Amino acid sequence: DFQMTQSPSSLSASLGDRVTITCRASQGISNSLAWYQQKPGKAPKLLLYATSRLESGVPSRFSGSGSGTDYTLTISSLQPEDFAIYYCQQYYSTPWTFGQGTKVEIK
Amino acid sequence: QVQLVQSGAEVKKPGASVKVSCKASGYTFTNYGISWVRQAPEQGLEWMGWISPSNGNTNYAQNLQGRVTMTTDTSTSTAYMELRSLRSDDTAVYYCATHYSHLGYFDSWGQGTLVTASS
Repeated sequence: DFQMTQSPSSLSASLGDRVTITCRASQGISNSLAWYQQKPGKAPKLLLYATSRLESGVPSRFSGSGSGTDYTLTISSLQPEDFAIYYCQQYYSTPWTFGQGTKVEIK
Repeated sequence: QVQLVQSGAEVKKPGASVKVSCKASGYTFTNYGISWVRQAPEQGLEWMGWISPSNGNTNYAQNLQGRVTMTTDTSTSTAYMELRSLRSDDTAVYYCATHYSHLGYFDSWGQGTLVTASS
């Protein structure tokens, strides 16, 4: 199975900050990586797929990059509605697997 | 717009079975795969498997093989997930989610169904 490791597990940031979350796969996943945002009591929401493709309706302050085993999610200017848990997920090979999540909290 | 509406919360005793439904609307049901993803309390996301409504083919996570069955009813655009021999660690919110065939990123999600396995 492909193990996905996110860092950090949590972070505190202020409004307007630039935030970066990393995700490392145990093997190369050929850019088959998605990012989700989850708020308390809600289903996850797709933000990006294929490493850097923004899902329709997602603000452009979210961006993704990476290749091989290492990927990043960047929020260019943190907004109040961005405080949530973020998950990466590989879909290169089943079983499709998620990172453990990164909680973004208000500083 | 795509909508996935799941059945309500369930409480089951360990050893029992549960069947969760997911009714789809807003798209052609057979054009997209449906996966099931679960989330234990305060934990991360775990993919359970997926089914292709067009042909009924399934792909289950190995740790659930033998206990999980995913089916669809194309006449009602509804997907089902049955989990048998429930254990306390199966207590979780269960989500259905759509994806395009073997491209396993999930672009629409149901609202989730809480399944509690407790004596």
